Amino acid sequence: NAGVMQNPRHLVRRRGQEARLRCSPMKGHSHVYWYRQLPEEGLKFMVYLQKENIIDESGMPKERFSAEFPKEGPSILRIQQVVRGDSAAYFCASSPTQGRGVYGYTFGSGTRLTVV
Amino acid sequence: AQTVTQSQPEMSVQEAETVTLSCTYDTSESDYYLFWYKQPPSRQMILVIRQEAYKQQNATENRFSVNFQKAAKSFSLKISDSQLGDAAMYFCASLDGNQFYFGTGTSLTVIP
Repeated sequence: NAGVMQNPRHLVRRRGQEARLRCSPMKGHSHVYWYRQLPEEGLKFMVYLQKENIIDESGMPKERFSAEFPKEGPSILRIQQVVRGDSAAYFCASSPTQGRGVYGYTFGSGTRLTVV
Repeated sequence: AQTVTQSQPEMSVQEAETVTLSCTYDTSESDYYLFWYKQPPSRQMILVIRQEAYKQQNATENRFSVNFQKAAKSFSLKISDSQLGDAAMYFCASLDGNQFYFGTGTSLTVIP
């Protein structure tokens, strides 16, 4: 079991470019979550998706950020027109089910985005 | 929303000694879950221990144990017989619905 796979591990973008972060959940997991970790801070929730559906996007910035989890393929977190403040580590997690306790909730190793 | 507070940005411990990391939380839920995660320099988030709030008994995983004080909303992590591999950032977290709320972390140094 390869775990939650995120790529790329490091991503450098110039201001104004687009960043695409990919997350392949663990085998058998149909729930995906994205978190952002700013320097010196803990992880903060961004969005929760199931296949082809956004369930909770309460933590997503209103502009420039979007997420999808298509029927086939990885989940994508997309940041348009990146700014320096988007520099952070972005983590994906997956779980097999929804519900109290969320057993099996597993994090990936994150993508570190640097905006220059 | 829930808040999780870790008031110790940095801690150090001598190898083989015991250290306790503090965490307090605030929630209006009656049933909830609390966690400690370890984040080494590799950035991987590793689950250390988990506690169901409805359970009276403190969770234990080998050298790691918690002191869960529900009335005080306190959830500290005790690491016994500290090892060099324990050096990392430690995050306390609570789970509300489908999302985790994390504290700002405690950086643990283990001194040989």
